[in-house]
Amino acid sequence: DVKVTQSSRYLVKRTGEKVFLECVQDMDHENMFWYRQDPGLGLRLIYFSYDVKMKEKGDIPEGYSVSREKKERFSLILESASTNQTSMYLCASSLLGTGFYGYTFGSGTRLTVV
Amino acid sequence: AQKVTQAQTEISVVEKEDVTLDCVYETRDTTYYLFWYKQPPSGELVFLIRRNSFDEQNEISGRYSWNFQKSTSSFNFTITASQVVDSAVYFCALSDPTGTASKLTFGTGTRLQVTL
Repeated sequence: DVKVTQSSRYLVKRTGEKVFLECVQDMDHENMFWYRQDPGLGLRLIYFSYDVKMKEKGDIPEGYSVSREKKERFSLILESASTNQTSMYLCASSLLGTGFYGYTFGSGTRLTVV
Repeated sequence: AQKVTQAQTEISVVEKEDVTLDCVYETRDTTYYLFWYKQPPSGELVFLIRRNSFDEQNEISGRYSWNFQKSTSSFNFTITASQVVDSAVYFCALSDPTGTASKLTFGTGTRLQVTL
């Protein structure tokens, strides 16, 4: 069964810490995405990557950075965690090509910054 | 800009009732894709359906059906004879082909609560 795996289901971090959220996919997908999900706001795109070492900002990149050193792994980095980054973080991947078949999602990481 | 509106924040029904979740979208693209995803309490978004803009046929899959109307920019989702296992947050999404990778623009979601 194809999968997107997020390394942590729940995470609690302190304000000011550097936080790494990891995502791995085993489908050989070119595209990978990080979204955050907040009540009443739906899913908002933070960053995405269409190839190794390539990345683009989404709608809300401030306070975040990403890293994609290998095709299967896409990391989200909170440089200095703040309480307003408490949220559910969802990783997704998709195939590059004609047509668009949507995303495969991971189970999410619920991050609490205290 | 792409936009997806799910005006219903929360819906509560009793088991066996039919329920329709509304989705209205805005796009300037002539070719686009619409999706519905289900997010159960476990958190993972599960793909339900994909529809391209050239295919306006309604779709039925078991108790689920989808009504795509280009004239009103709507892609509504109906669950017939709802069950407790249908309780989840449902997201409608629209493809955004701009830039280097096709992305999805999501609505804010509709939380469906089905009770006995």
